[in-house]
Amino acid sequence: GAVVSQHPSRVICKSGTSVKIECRSLDFQATTMFWYRQFPKQSLMLMATSNEGSKATYEQGVEKDKFLINHASLTLSTLTVTSAHPEDSSFYICSAPGGTLSTDTQYFGPGTRLTVL
Amino acid sequence: AQSVTQLDSQVPVFEEAPVELRCNYSSSVSVYLFWYVQYPNQGLQLLLKYLSGSTLVKGINGFEAEFNKSQTSFHLRKPSVHISDTAEYFCAVRPTGFQKLVFGTGTRLLVSP
Repeated sequence: GAVVSQHPSRVICKSGTSVKIECRSLDFQATTMFWYRQFPKQSLMLMATSNEGSKATYEQGVEKDKFLINHASLTLSTLTVTSAHPEDSSFYICSAPGGTLSTDTQYFGPGTRLTVL
Repeated sequence: AQSVTQLDSQVPVFEEAPVELRCNYSSSVSVYLFWYVQYPNQGLQLLLKYLSGSTLVKGINGFEAEFNKSQTSFHLRKPSVHISDTAEYFCAVRPTGFQKLVFGTGTRLLVSP
C-alpha cells in the first residue's frame, strides 16, 4: 500500500531557530502534498498545498514566510518553520494523494511533534 | 465551500457494545466521503471511503458507514467495539475533482471494559 513517512517524528528546539520537517512518499510519486497542523484535541487544519516544480499554495492566514515549503522531487516535500516561537509548537502532518495506487485517497504521514522552548 | 460536523466530541462505550459516530456535511457540489482514525501521537489511517455505488461501505477493523444523500450524513458504525478501538475518529469530505480534504472536529471514542 501507499506509505508516507515523516522525519523527524519529534523535535525540540529553542525559540528563534529554524526547523525542517521532511515528508516522503515511499512507494509512489506525488506531484502534490499537503501540510496540516493539529493543535491538541483539535482537528487538522490545512496549512498549504505543496506542488512539485512550482510554488506552494498557502491557506488564508498562514504566513508563507514563516512556513517555507519546498517540493524538491516527486517523492519529497519539506516544511521549514523559520524563527520558531513557542506558539508554533504543534503536531504537523503531511499527506499525499495515492497517485496511480489510488487517485481518490490521501495517505498521511505519522506526524511530527514540534516543541519550541 | 464545504463543512463537516461531528456533533459528538466524545463517545464513551463499553467493550463489545455497538457504536455509531455521527457525521453530517454541507456542500454545494458532489463530494467523496472518508473516515480516518488517529491513534495517540500518530498520523491518520484511512478506515473507509465512499466514492460512488453502494451507499453502505465496509472498511477495516469491522467498521462500516452508510452514505445518506438526503440527510447529508455519513455515520460510522461498528456492531461490537474493542478496547483497541479507543482513538480519535475524523470524518472528511473532498469535492470531486479536487484534492483538498475538509475535516470535521473529530470524535474521541473511549472504550472501557
